Amino acid sequence: EAAVTQSPRNKVAVTGGKVTLSCNQTNNHNNMYWYRQDTGHGLRLIHYSYGAGSTEKGDIPDGYKASRPSQENFSLILELATPSQTSVYFCASGDRGHQNTLYFGAGTRLSVL
Amino acid sequence: GQQVQQSPASLVLQEGENAELQCNFSSTATQLQWFYQSPGGSLVSLLSNPSGTKHTGRLTSTTVTKERRSSLHISSSQTTDSGTYLCAIDPWGDGSFNKLTFGAGTRLAVCP
Repeated sequence: EAAVTQSPRNKVAVTGGKVTLSCNQTNNHNNMYWYRQDTGHGLRLIHYSYGAGSTEKGDIPDGYKASRPSQENFSLILELATPSQTSVYFCASGDRGHQNTLYFGAGTRLSVL
Repeated sequence: GQQVQQSPASLVLQEGENAELQCNFSSTATQLQWFYQSPGGSLVSLLSNPSGTKHTGRLTSTTVTKERRSSLHISSSQTTDSGTYLCAIDPWGDGSFNKLTFGAGTRLAVCP
């Protein structure tokens, strides 16, 4: 069973503060993704990565940075958090040919006050 | 931008009834997947069905690519089926899922 672990599970941050969301996968997947989910919206892609050292912009990258230091780890960084970034964030991993699907973490609920 | 519309937005059933969920998308997609999100928030892939009909357990998905629509049929619903069902497509039509676009989901509640 594919495993994707996110930390922290819940986070309260202050406006203007720096927030780092972490994701670890033990599936040896090349591709990893960060999505956010808001009420009334589906998941929206923020950043993704093809492998260690690579990061690509998704559909809504503004205000976010990503880092992929290794095959297993993919971080989402909010340098200057804003209340509009209050959301639930999901990390996922996957590869073409690996059952052709994505494996999601449990999510991180972020509140920016 | 690419659009994925799901209907109905919510659905309430009695246990044992069947459910029909719809997904319409605005572009040709070579990758279409259905996901289930539990009431607790966890997400799992149910099946991938870019075209034709596919079955798994009590789930049947039918995708008509040229009409840009897919359906998910849940037979003999159970209370444990309650949650949100999300449809996602690959808007670039290149067969990858690097930039899946998700619909807002159908929230299903199955009552005992």
